[in-house]
Amino acid sequence: AQKITQTQPGMFVQEKEAVTLDCTYDTSDPSYGLFWYKQPSSGEMIFLIYQGSYDQQNATEGRYSLNFQKARKSANLVISASQLGDSAMYFCAMREGRDGANSKLTFGKGITLSVRP
Amino acid sequence: EADIYQTPRYLVIGTGKKITLECSQTMGHDKMYWYQQDPGMELHLIHYSYGVNSTEKGDLSSESTVSRIRTEHFPLTLESARPSHTSQYLCASSELGAGNQPQHFGDGTRLSIL
Repeated sequence: AQKITQTQPGMFVQEKEAVTLDCTYDTSDPSYGLFWYKQPSSGEMIFLIYQGSYDQQNATEGRYSLNFQKARKSANLVISASQLGDSAMYFCAMREGRDGANSKLTFGKGITLSVRP
Repeated sequence: EADIYQTPRYLVIGTGKKITLECSQTMGHDKMYWYQQDPGMELHLIHYSYGVNSTEKGDLSSESTVSRIRTEHFPLTLESARPSHTSQYLCASSELGAGNQPQHFGDGTRLSIL
């Protein structure tokens, strides 16, 4: 079974509107961390936001927020007030176990987001 | 701003050549990683290191090898390049023992084997 599932086809959003990118995960470990990265066409990976499995509140970083539903094993990224520069691929990734023992990330297949002017 | 550098940025080379992809970071991170990514696809971990003289194979089998002689340097080598090695290779690093700290990535090397 895939550990990180991102099944949305290419997503489109109008500039200045909000968009939600879906991510579901699968783990039996009670301690884990979820990361979202942005990859523009130039190829670099840009860290956006982190959610720990024991965090009580949903993570927020500027225009990025995470809709973390632990029971459903989902960690959807919400981008508010979309900008043209948000057009990119977005990857959800998971680290299982308490860090120190394991910091390897498992990535999903990614979602392409296109922002329309 | 992360300080992790990969060279070359692009490389087009013939089959059978020996290739070394360079990766250096100035953040003093103990952990370093190499990922392989085909266009529009997910990243696959091919090698990682938790410190000097420590290297491990990742989840995806790779014909490449790595070394970690210095904390800041984690080069990846292909002894004899083949067209199947054509891909993007991304290097990353992270702090030791910090679960909420992200991996910081370099800009990647886009490798094309003719």
